[in-house]
Formats: sequence, structure tokens, C-alpha cells
Amino acid sequence: ETGVTQSPTHLIKTRGQQVTLRCSSQSGHNTVSWYQQALGQGPQFIFQYYREEENGRGNFPPRFSGLQFPNYSSELNVNALELDDSALYLCASSRSGPREKSGYTFGSGTRLTVV
Amino acid sequence: DQQVKQNSPSLSVQEGRISILNCDYTNSMFDYFLWYKKYPAEGPTFLISISSIKDKNEDGRFTVFLNKSAKHLSLHIVPSQPGDSAVYFCAASATWGGADGLTFGKGTHLIIQP
Repeated sequence: ETGVTQSPTHLIKTRGQQVTLRCSSQSGHNTVSWYQQALGQGPQFIFQYYREEENGRGNFPPRFSGLQFPNYSSELNVNALELDDSALYLCASSRSGPREKSGYTFGSGTRLTVV
Repeated sequence: DQQVKQNSPSLSVQEGRISILNCDYTNSMFDYFLWYKKYPAEGPTFLISISSIKDKNEDGRFTVFLNKSAKHLSLHIVPSQPGDSAVYFCAASATWGGADGLTFGKGTHLIIQP
């Protein structure tokens, strides 16, 4: 298994800009979740996609959006970037569906800095 | 309002001894709990889990204990090894089988000293 790959590893954006982060899951992984980890904090759930549809969302505004594609890749889009969006963004995928919480494989994350 | 709390930011333990990491939660709807381990520059890795119908789960050197009345869980590592040095996150889920994500604590940095 190749694991979960996230790109880019680091990114610097200006306040007000838009950003797209990418995640490539393993074959057969039908569920993908995105988390935001601010410095010194634990990961915070943004949303989850199951079979290309959003089926769960944390306490994040609509300017955080996502897509899941048939080839097991996914995207996290953030519009109108704010300084507080600076964080490590983690993608986690699973072949077990949304029921099996322990089946998630996390990527190494994308470090986003908003200046 | 933090629903999952890990009150020790760091813990130092001698190699071979027992490491005990603690976690408290406030949401009584949580019914599934997990521990993750994270090395620098890597994503979190699943370690062990426990559902609310149990009070103990073991996997090799790792044991998780759940005290529902106290809303407290702990992870025991015996014996501690140098490779155990990492940040450990406690996480909880409110609905088994639901589409809610995991709620994480802030993590405890475990340092195993030789």
C-alpha cells in the first residue's frame, strides 16, 4: 500500500487569496476526512466525504469546501484566506466506510501559512 | 470549549518503565475512543481504540482503560521503549457508525529516556 499522499507539503498564501490542497488516497478508500491542526492544538474535523458526497461537517464556515473524485483523490478548497487559517491540514482516508473510525490512514499534511 | 482534554503537555518516562497517558472528556455522547501516535513530519497513526461498552482493551504493550462515570480514559504502555517517544493524541467520536469526525485532545509529548 502506498499510503495517503498530500500535496504540496508547504504553502504560503496572502490573506484574501484562495487555496486548493490535494490528497491522494489508496485504491479502494471510499471515505476521506480533512482536519485542521493549529499550532499546539489537536486536529479539528473539517468535513468528511463518502463515495464523492459530503456526509459530515465540523464547525467550519462554508468558505471551506471539498471534493472527492472517483480515482480516490480529494481536494480541500479554502476561499478568502484569513490569518487564522494558518495550520497543518491533514487528510485521512479509509476503505472501511465512515463507520470504522479506527480504519483511517492519515497523510503527513500540508503546512499552510497565511501572511 | 474543549470536549477532549489531555492535561499533561509532556511526560518523561525511563525506558522499561510504565508510561501512563491520561485523557478526560466532557461530552457524555462520546461512545468510541481512540489513541493516535504522531512522529514529527508524519501524520497521526492509529494505536488502539475502545468502545463505551468496554472498560479495557489490550493490544500487545498497549492497554486502554475507560472509566465512563469519571469520563476518563488512560493509555498504558508497558514496557516503554525509545521508539515510543512521540506525541500521543486522545480522540473521541459521538456516534458509532455516524459521519461525525473525531474530536481530538491537544496531545501529550511522551519522552522515553534511556
